[in-house]
Amino acid sequence: DAGVIQSPRHEVTEMGQEVTLRCKPISGHDYLFWYRQTMMRGLELLIYFNNNVPIDDSGMPEDRFSAKMPNASFSTLKIQPSEPRDSAVYFCASSLGGGWETQYFGPGTRLLVL
Amino acid sequence: EDQVTQSPEALRLQEGESSSLNCSYTVSGLRGLFWYRQDPGKGPEFLFTLYSAGEEKEKERLKATLTKKESFLHITAPKPEDSATYLCAVQAETSYDKVIFGPGTSLSVIP
Repeated sequence: DAGVIQSPRHEVTEMGQEVTLRCKPISGHDYLFWYRQTMMRGLELLIYFNNNVPIDDSGMPEDRFSAKMPNASFSTLKIQPSEPRDSAVYFCASSLGGGWETQYFGPGTRLLVL
Repeated sequence: EDQVTQSPEALRLQEGESSSLNCSYTVSGLRGLFWYRQDPGKGPEFLFTLYSAGEEKEKERLKATLTKKESFLHITAPKPEDSATYLCAVQAETSYDKVIFGPGTSLSVIP
């Protein structure tokens, strides 16, 4: 299996621009998680889906952030408009059954907002 | 407020020099504590889950232990390939949907 795939791996954009991060979970996994990692705040759970349905988005920092999962093999995290404080590494993870110990993380997208 | 801290922030060991990493937590009832390894430029990789005080888990040179207030990750005779950042995370009984991650300990093992 190719594991969790994220794209792009690196993104540099200017403040105010829309940013879309993409994730392909491991085939057969029914849970998908989006995380953000910064030096200041560490790793934070933003939102997670079960069978393509958002279950908990309380970690989404504000309305500028939105996430969708149109099907079992694809999810997006969108930031519109982007701000410099959104600069971070964004990870997608998937699991079978939702257990924290069974999550497989993708390689992350490193986002820099200028 | 639920909180997780880790110490030291960074640790440099000679190959073969055993040591321990600490994860201290305050949560309103612990459902589970997790240890992860994170290599540079990669996502975290799950290592262990601990559920109750006194529990221990082992994997190769790593052993994780748990008390009511903290967890230790013991590294015996480390090798350079053990160099990574080690993260711990806790899940509170009252918050099934949430885990709180600590800031991590960056471990460097020098040949």
